[in-house]
Amino acid sequence: AQKITQTQPGMFVQEKEAVTLDCTYDTSDPSYGLFWYKQPSSGEMIFLIYQGSYDQQNATEGRYSLNFQKARKSANLVISASQLGDSAMYFCAMREGEGGSTLGRLYFGRGTQLTVWP
Amino acid sequence: EAGVTQSPTHLIKTRGQQVTLRCSPISGHTSVYWYQQALGLGLQFLLWYDEGEERNRGNFPPRFSGRQFPNYSSELNVNALELEDSALYLCASNVNRAYEQYFGPGTRLTVT
Repeated sequence: AQKITQTQPGMFVQEKEAVTLDCTYDTSDPSYGLFWYKQPSSGEMIFLIYQGSYDQQNATEGRYSLNFQKARKSANLVISASQLGDSAMYFCAMREGEGGSTLGRLYFGRGTQLTVWP
Repeated sequence: EAGVTQSPTHLIKTRGQQVTLRCSPISGHTSVYWYQQALGLGLQFLLWYDEGEERNRGNFPPRFSGRQFPNYSSELNVNALELEDSALYLCASNVNRAYEQYFGPGTRLTVT
């Protein structure tokens, strides 16, 4: 079974509008972390936001927020006030708990290509 | 603070050849991760090194191997290259208590 599922291969949003990128995850570990990364056409992965499984509040970082619904095992990324520079591939990822360590491999989804148009 | 660096940026190899990719983590980071990103696919985990030891390995054949040096830099070796090894190889690093992994720019390998 896929650990991370991103069902939207592509999304389009107009500049200054908000957009939600979907992510669902699958784990039986009670301790895990969820991440979103942005990959521009240059290829480098840029960390955007993190949510821990025990965090009570949804994570926010500037224009990025993570809509964490634990019971539904979803971790959607919301980008507010989209900018042309937000056009990129977005990946959802998960790390399963390893005795409380923050080390360990990430499981990635297949990504969503976001295009922001003027 | 310098980020994760990788070399070379690009390379082209012939099927059956061997290749070595290099990664230098951020100063102070002890863990290095290697991922493969084939065209149109997400990142597939290859190897994780921490404090010089291999901690975990993804579902790749033994011809994918690597090591971590005392200065925490790392090499990824791929023997007997196959066409499907063509991909972007990304290296990431972090240190315990840092949730995110920091990625390098990648090495784009083309096998012909």
